Amino acid sequence: DAGVTQSPTHLIKTRGQQVTLRCSPISGHKSVSWYQQVLGQGPQFIFQYYEKEERGRGNFPDRFSARQFPNYSSELNVNALLLGDSALYLCASSLVSGRLDNEQFFGPGTRLTVL
Amino acid sequence: GDSVTQMEGPVTLSEEAFLTINCTYTATGYPSLFWYVQYPGEGLQLLLKATKADDKGSNKGFEATYRKETTSFHLEKGSVQVSDSAVYFCALRDNTNAGKSTFGDGTTLTVKP
Repeated sequence: DAGVTQSPTHLIKTRGQQVTLRCSPISGHKSVSWYQQVLGQGPQFIFQYYEKEERGRGNFPDRFSARQFPNYSSELNVNALLLGDSALYLCASSLVSGRLDNEQFFGPGTRLTVL
Repeated sequence: GDSVTQMEGPVTLSEEAFLTINCTYTATGYPSLFWYVQYPGEGLQLLLKATKADDKGSNKGFEATYRKETTSFHLEKGSVQVSDSAVYFCALRDNTNAGKSTFGDGTTLTVKP
C-alpha cells in the first residue's frame, strides 16, 4: 500500500508569491496534519483537518491556510511568502482524530525555498 | 503549553558504542511519547512509542521508558551501527489535541566504523 504522498517534492518561490502544497493520506485515513520543519529544528504543528473540518491550529499567521477534500486529501496554502517560510513541509495522516493510539504516518515532505 | 527538550547534538559514536539521547517534556493532559528517526532526504519514521507511565517502548534494539516522575523519555541502544546514523526526534501527543505532535529540536547521531 502507498504511504502518505506529497507534491511537489521541491519548490522555489520568490518573496510575496503564493504557494500550494498537496498531500494524499494513506488510503482509509481521514485525519491530516501539517507541519513546518525549519532546518535544524523539529517540526512545528500548523493545522489538523478531520472530515473536512479544521480540528486544530498552531501558532502560525493567517497567511497560512488549508483545506481537506471529500477524498481526504489536503492542500496547504501560504500567501505573501517570506524568506522565513523556507522549510520542509510535512504532512501526516492517521485513521481518525482524537485518539492517541492512532499512529501518525508522515510523508516525505515538500522542500520550499523562498528567494 | 506542551514542550519537548532534547539533549543538544551532534552526537558522534564509534560502532558498537552505547547510545543515550536525553528527552524531557512538559505537557497538559496525559501525553503519549514517541521517538522518530529521520534519514537524510526522507520524512519521519516512528521508531518507538509509550502511551502511559512506566511503559517501555522498543524497536530495532532501541528502548525508551516513560518516566512520569522525572518527565523523561530517554532513548537508549546498547550497540549502535553505522546504519543508525540519522536525526532522532522526541515527541509527544496529548489527549487535548491528539492530532498535534510536539517535537524536540532533534539530535543528530553519526556512527563511525
